[in-house]
Order: sequence, then C-alpha cells, then structure tokens
Amino acid sequence: QKEVEQNSGPLSVPEGAIASLNCTYSDRGSQSFFWYRQYSGKSPELIMFIYSNGDKEDGRFTAQLNKASQYVSLLIRDSQPSDSATYLCAVTPPNNDMRFGAGTRLTVKP
Amino acid sequence: NAGVTQTPKFRILKIGQSMTLQCTQDMNHNYMYWYRQDPGMGLKLIYYSVGAGITDKGEVPNGYNVSRSTTEDFPLRLELAAPSQTSVYFCASSRSRGVQADYGYTFGSGTRLTVV
Repeated sequence: QKEVEQNSGPLSVPEGAIASLNCTYSDRGSQSFFWYRQYSGKSPELIMFIYSNGDKEDGRFTAQLNKASQYVSLLIRDSQPSDSATYLCAVTPPNNDMRFGAGTRLTVKP
Repeated sequence: NAGVTQTPKFRILKIGQSMTLQCTQDMNHNYMYWYRQDPGMGLKLIYYSVGAGITDKGEVPNGYNVSRSTTEDFPLRLELAAPSQTSVYFCASSRSRGVQADYGYTFGSGTRLTVV
C-alpha cells in the first residue's frame, strides 16, 4: 500500500463548478496534511494545510480532514481555468519527513 | 526575496558523467531537502539537512551525495550518472520540520536532468 494515494485523474470540471480532490494515507499516526498545486513544468506551491479533523476554508479552497477514515480532501469552489494543474497531497507521518502522493491532474473547462 | 534558487534548469549528461545541482535559499531556513519527481510517481526524498554540517538520507539516496557547509547552500552531487537518474529534481527548504508546527516547503524551480 502506498503511503499517500490519490486518483491520478484527469479530473475534468466545467468552469464555475466545484472540484473535489481526494487523498488517503496509510500511517494512522500522521498529524500534518498539505495540499500543493503544481502547474505543468513548474514547481509545487503550498495552497492549504490542515491539522485538525473537520474543514478549513481559505477563499475558494476548503480542506477537509477525517483522521478516523485516514482521508483528506480539497474542494475548489467556483473553479476557474487557472485552477487547471496537478494537485499534490502531502502527509507528515510521525518521526518522518513529508510524503507526497503522485497527484491528481485537474482540468477546468471554460 | 529570491526564495530557493536552483541551477541549472536543464542538463543532459552522458552515462558515467558526474555533475552537481546547485541550491541556494535566502530565507534563513535550517531545513533543506532534495526531491526527485518521476512521472506518475510523486516526489521522492533523496537527502535532507537539518542545518549546516548535518545531512541524512531520505527514501532514494543511492547514486547521490550532498553537503551542507552553510545555511544557504545545499548542493546535490551525482556520481557516475545512470539512465535511472533521468528525472526532475527539486530543492526545497522549510522553517520547521516534521510535526512541530505549521509549515510548508518552499520549492526551487527544478532541474530537468536527462541521462543518455
């Protein structure tokens, strides 16, 4: 089992819709969870982090964490073509460095 | 404020050649990392450093070496390049590490390396 799993996509949504990106992780002791956005040919950039169960909102982005289910998600409301990118889920297991999923490629169609 | 600067951006190496990927950060971060990113495989940690003079292996260290003589610089050395080292390499730095506090990694722009 991979430490961090994401659906590779591509996920395609129309402009203005909600994009839902999902991530599961294997180490139940993990405490820190991150979402990075990576445009094609560019480096990852941090867009959200979450530590506690529940929802965390930042503008059009909402991160959701359910530690019991070992599940993290990212919702993007009012999706824009500029949101088209690969989204990387990252998890920090106990006593270890950040582990990254392979990413989900999102396409927002005008 | 430049953040994390990597050079070169692109490089083609022949099998058996060696090279050094340069990484410099100007944020006074203690923690620095080298990752490689292969298609569909996510980012894999090669080496990391918790401060000047202190480095340690990550998940995929074979074929690589690092040094950290200053807080700012964290070069990655490839000895005897092999086709399996064809990848995109990212250097990153962070203010803290592990689960101590909220943090994120700041990544450099990457080096696209091809070994032929």
